[in-house]
Amino acid sequence: NAGVTQTPKFRVLKTGQSMTLLCAQDMNHEYMYWYRQDPGMGLRLIHYSVGEGTTAKGEVPDGYNVSRLKKQNFLLGLESAAPSQTSVYFCASSMEGSQPQHFGDGTRLSIL
Amino acid sequence: AQSVTQPDIHITVSEGASLELRCNYSYGATPYLFWYVQSPGQGLQLLLKYFSGDTLVQGIKGFEAEFKRSQSSFNLRKPSVHWSDAAEYFCAAVNAGNNRKLIWGLGTSLAVNP
Repeated sequence: NAGVTQTPKFRVLKTGQSMTLLCAQDMNHEYMYWYRQDPGMGLRLIHYSVGEGTTAKGEVPDGYNVSRLKKQNFLLGLESAAPSQTSVYFCASSMEGSQPQHFGDGTRLSIL
Repeated sequence: AQSVTQPDIHITVSEGASLELRCNYSYGATPYLFWYVQSPGQGLQLLLKYFSGDTLVQGIKGFEAEFKRSQSSFNLRKPSVHWSDAAEYFCAAVNAGNNRKLIWGLGTSLAVNP
């Protein structure tokens, strides 16, 4: 039982490059989330989705885009990477908004 | 505004000692409450949750938490800490009503001395 799978696990980018982080869940969850985690700042919500085909902004959405074309997948895109986006990114999913979230193991992203 | 506060940024305990991690929330009504643990290099794992009913909640790995409405607290406890409990612990809350946005505390880092 895979749960929530994030790819890649590590990536180094140069400023201005673009990339997509993939999140896949096999629990048939409606809700999916993208967070970033930075030292001393806890988890900050970037974007989330309440179902297939829907997306919404979290508290730090600037510089990121997301898509939820299939229920099981939630993609996070960086169109033009900036050093400020160096972080650890976590994807999570839940049955609905008030239920516990299940997390992937994270993607460690460095932008030079 | 809704908020979750974990007053202790870092705690160090000796192996075998008891542990209490504090969590306070500020909500208009009693929210659903959660504790998560994050081991180094890993994602977050749910330890326990409180929705309603018995105010003492049992979780995995020998942890428990007590909801105290009068103190707006949901403190995490463990009677005897193991070295493997060294991790980051996060408290979170979500409104049980229509606005179901999960609010996270900033976390407490636990170190365990042998």
